[in-house]
Amino acid sequence: AQSVSQHNHHVILSEAASLELGCNYSYGGTVNLFWYVQYPGQHLQLLLKYFSGDPLVKGIKGFEAEFIKSKFSFNLRKPSVQWSDTAEYFCAVTAGGGADGLTFGKGTHLIIQP
Amino acid sequence: GAVVSQHPSWVICKSGTSVKIECRSLDFQATTMFWYRQFPKQSLMLMATSNEGSKATYEQGVEKDKFLINHASLTLSTLTVTSAHPEDSSFYICSATGLGGTQYFGPGTRLTVL
Repeated sequence: AQSVSQHNHHVILSEAASLELGCNYSYGGTVNLFWYVQYPGQHLQLLLKYFSGDPLVKGIKGFEAEFIKSKFSFNLRKPSVQWSDTAEYFCAVTAGGGADGLTFGKGTHLIIQP
Repeated sequence: GAVVSQHPSWVICKSGTSVKIECRSLDFQATTMFWYRQFPKQSLMLMATSNEGSKATYEQGVEKDKFLINHASLTLSTLTVTSAHPEDSSFYICSATGLGGTQYFGPGTRLTVL
């Protein structure tokens, strides 16, 4: 079974600061990796995903993530955060193929101070 | 595109009653839908995988007789919480798999059992 570990449960940054949220997974086979965001009072939205190919993936709103297979990591980055990025961020993994449900990390609560 | 709706968005019921939650993919067909449960300030936990025209697959520890899932068509899956008790109070979220294997999430249903 897969498992996902997000290292930071709460992160507080000032606007324009750079962001990196850690995500590690454990699974021996091919995986699909995702980052979802949940803004206050809203449902989960897909930020970006990795299935195969270029390990550096770019998503919406200036976010990107890098898949490092040797480290079982899929860290989320953004060079300059905005107040509107305040939200809960979830890393998730599923076995390759997409037929299985997602295994989520515990989430990171990001607060951006103006 | 790729919109998933849930109905109702919130429901309050008495202990011992049953509650049905609908999940619809509005603009795409989904052979597979998933049901998750999210406790306050925690991550999502996969409950079951719902496949159109076949029985749902439940995760370990999820009572299939308590959480009845029906996937009646390629755009509709329902979750019925039978004989609900206060410990069933939670946020129930569905997702539907679109083209390419990405899961799109519904807005969730807040269930409160008195």
